[in-house]
Amino acid sequence: DAGVIQSPRHEVTEMGQEVTLRCKPISGHNSLFWYRQTMMRGLELLIYFNNNVPIDDSGMPEDRFSAKMPNASFSTLKIQPSEPRDSAVYFCASSSTVNYGYTFGSGTRLTVV
Amino acid sequence: QQQVKQSPQSLIVQKGGIPIINCAYENTAFDYFPWYQQFPGKGPALLIAIRPDVSEKKEGRFTISFNKSAKQFSLHIMDSQPGDSATYFCAASLTGFQKLVFGTGTRLLVSP
Repeated sequence: DAGVIQSPRHEVTEMGQEVTLRCKPISGHNSLFWYRQTMMRGLELLIYFNNNVPIDDSGMPEDRFSAKMPNASFSTLKIQPSEPRDSAVYFCASSSTVNYGYTFGSGTRLTVV
Repeated sequence: QQQVKQSPQSLIVQKGGIPIINCAYENTAFDYFPWYQQFPGKGPALLIAIRPDVSEKKEGRFTISFNKSAKQFSLHIMDSQPGDSATYFCAASLTGFQKLVFGTGTRLLVSP
């Protein structure tokens, strides 16, 4: 299994631009999570999906952030417009209901200048 | 009540020492307590996990101790090695909910 695959690994963009982060979960996992990691705030859960349905988006910082999961093998996190304070490492993770352990991707390091 | 408090923030031990990382929680409904290990440039990886029906679990050099009455759990690394240098996160979740609440992390450095 290739694990959770995230793209791109690094993204540098200018303030005001739209940014789309992508995630392919592990096949057979029915839950998907988006986290943001910063030095100041640690790991923050932004949103999670169960069977492709958003269950809890209370961690999404504001309306500039949106996430979709059109099918069981793909999810996106979009920031529009991006701001310098969005600079962070964004992780996607997936899990199955049988095993509560998460498998994290390698993350996308986002820099907004 | 949803928080998990982790300490210390950073820790330096010599090779062969036994670093101990502590976590405390408030919500008594939590029933799954994993630890994650994260190396620079990588995502966190599940290291070991425990449920409250046992007081201790060992996997290799890693041990979780769980104190249900005190609502605390800790990670011990026996015979620590420089390769164990990483950031460690504790977490907790509720039965039926897969949403994990993470601690703030402990940066461990094991000196040669």
